[in-house]
Amino acid sequence: LAKTTQPISMDSYEGQEVNITCSHNNIATNDYITWYQQFPSQGPRFIIQGYKTKVTNEVASLFIPADRKSSTLSLPRVSLSDTAVYYCLVGDAPVSGGYNKLIFGAGTRLAVHP
Amino acid sequence: DVKVTQSSRYLVKRTGEKVFLECVQDMDHENMFWYRQDPGLGLRLIYFSYDVKMKEKGDIPEGYSVSREKKERFSLILESASTNQTSMYLCASSLQGGGEQYFGPGTRLTVT
Repeated sequence: LAKTTQPISMDSYEGQEVNITCSHNNIATNDYITWYQQFPSQGPRFIIQGYKTKVTNEVASLFIPADRKSSTLSLPRVSLSDTAVYYCLVGDAPVSGGYNKLIFGAGTRLAVHP
Repeated sequence: DVKVTQSSRYLVKRTGEKVFLECVQDMDHENMFWYRQDPGLGLRLIYFSYDVKMKEKGDIPEGYSVSREKKERFSLILESASTNQTSMYLCASSLQGGGEQYFGPGTRLTVT
């Protein structure tokens, strides 16, 4: 069964760039990679999704190497409000019939310090 | 904004009780999901549904069932609650596939 591995925790300071890497050695050809952010007492919130190379939106970048066995979420210039748990998700549920897989990592707890 | 609501934020039930967790989404999404979240284990998929009355087992379906009679509503049923089902339960919906999901706030269920 596919497995995703992330660091348990990371620390950073305001204004720094933070890179969180997720390992997914058994990724399948049709799997996407998605990252979520979760604050206490809330459900996860979508950040970014990609298939290969680099994707950038207004809050983050996602780097995926050619072999797709890992991915790196990059948060530019973090602030205290970025303190949260970050999850990577590998897979993509089919639109009809037959479960593929949706595998979440165990999450990385990011603490941003003043 | 997509809104996913769950019927309760906190729930306490006794062992052996039948428990219903309700989830409603207001964006006409095709897909809906139920997860449980436990410390150190992340989110694990229990069931998902890709259409009304259609459902698929996820990774940990044992002890659970689901119902989707209307597109906007997806219910998780614990047929006979047990203490090992004490957990945070999260519902989500998506327009396409399983990548970009929108989550509800969660229901923290305690089974005593």
